[in-house]
Amino acid sequence: DAKTTQPPSMDCAEGRAANLPCNHSTISGNEYVYWYRQIHSQGPQYIIHGLKNNETNEMASLIITEDRKSSTLILPHATLRDTAVYYCIVGYQKVTFGTGTKLQVIP
Amino acid sequence: EPEVTQTPSHQVTQMGQEVILRCVPISNHLYFYWYRQILGQKVEFLVSFYNNEISEKSEIFDDRFSVERPDGSNFTLKIRSTKLEDSAMYFCASSDPSGRRHEQFFGPGTRLTVL
Repeated sequence: DAKTTQPPSMDCAEGRAANLPCNHSTISGNEYVYWYRQIHSQGPQYIIHGLKNNETNEMASLIITEDRKSSTLILPHATLRDTAVYYCIVGYQKVTFGTGTKLQVIP
Repeated sequence: EPEVTQTPSHQVTQMGQEVILRCVPISNHLYFYWYRQILGQKVEFLVSFYNNEISEKSEIFDDRFSVERPDGSNFTLKIRSTKLEDSAMYFCASSDPSGRRHEQFFGPGTRLTVL
């Protein structure tokens, strides 16, 4: 699986957009970009995934660069409940977790 | 909304004993997984299971570990001869065979403590 690089932590003001970056420069052609999050010690939660095109669902938007070497997860209006560790994962249906980005949403 | 459930929420056992962790995946899902997370560390893949057989396993999943789908609803992880280092949160996950196979649904976890 391709390796990803994420900042270890980020802060975001409540109500503002949270933009979480991820670098995956060694991604191969058939590998997807997945985003999961883990709130405290709960089970990880799927957020979104994409291959080449930008994607949006009820939780977030995923912006993938044209060369697919990086992506950004956007939470449009962050709430306190979005405080979690966010994992960017690349692969094909296999989910291999790294250390993620600890997002702290601040009131 | 359907969800993955796991029992027990917390299991305490003595070193060397056997434990069985239970999971009820989402009913129409056909792919099943076990992960573990040692306190303060990453979530680690253990095993994936499809069509009544293991499709992939990690180095962690040694011969003390086994999985089984004993009936149409349960998916179990058995650990024999438990070790102190098996203490962790164990998560079960499932996904379906349709176009949403990329999305894995995780359960709340079982905290295993080996004394």
